[in-house]
Amino acid sequence: DAGVIQSPRHEVTEMGQEVTLRCKPISGHNSLFWYRQTMMRGLELLIYFNNNVPIDDSGMPEDRFSAKMPNASFSTLKIQPSEPRDSAVYFCASTLYNEQFFGPGTRLTVL
Amino acid sequence: AQSVTQPDIHITVSEGASLELRCNYSYGATPYLFWYVQSPGQGLQLLLKYFSGDTLVQGIKGFEAEFKRSQSSFNLRKPSVHWSDAAEYFCAVGPGRGNEKLTFGTGTRLTIIP
Repeated sequence: DAGVIQSPRHEVTEMGQEVTLRCKPISGHNSLFWYRQTMMRGLELLIYFNNNVPIDDSGMPEDRFSAKMPNASFSTLKIQPSEPRDSAVYFCASTLYNEQFFGPGTRLTVL
Repeated sequence: AQSVTQPDIHITVSEGASLELRCNYSYGATPYLFWYVQSPGQGLQLLLKYFSGDTLVQGIKGFEAEFKRSQSSFNLRKPSVHWSDAAEYFCAVGPGRGNEKLTFGTGTRLTIIP
């Protein structure tokens, strides 16, 4: 099993540009979580899906952030327009029962 | 509301020494508790979990944790640390169902000195 796959692993962009982060969960897992990690705020849950349906997006910082899960094997997190304060490591995790399996993360730098 | 407190931001121990990382939780129902480890540049990996039964649970890499309901604690221990244990450790609490979110603590950074 390849585990949770995230791409890209690193992204450097300029303020105002659109950024799309991608996640492929483990096959058969029915829940998917997007997290953001920074030194200042630690690990924050942004949004999570059950069976491709968004359940709780209360952690999404503002309207510039959006997430989709068009099918069970793919999810995206989009930031438009990006700002320097969005710089962070973004993690995707999937779960079938109780254990959340995390991807390696995408390190986003917005200049 | 559920919450997790990890009172130690940073701990330094000598290689071969014992380790205990503290975790206190607040949860309205029977808690399901987890410890995750994050090595530099990596995602989080599950060390161990507690759902019910024996309050002392064993995990990977020689770690164990003890659930104490009366103290609302779930401390992580290891009898003898190795240099490779240097990482960030996160305690988390949740309802135990895979489709529900976990609440994570702020993490404890562990440094190992030779």
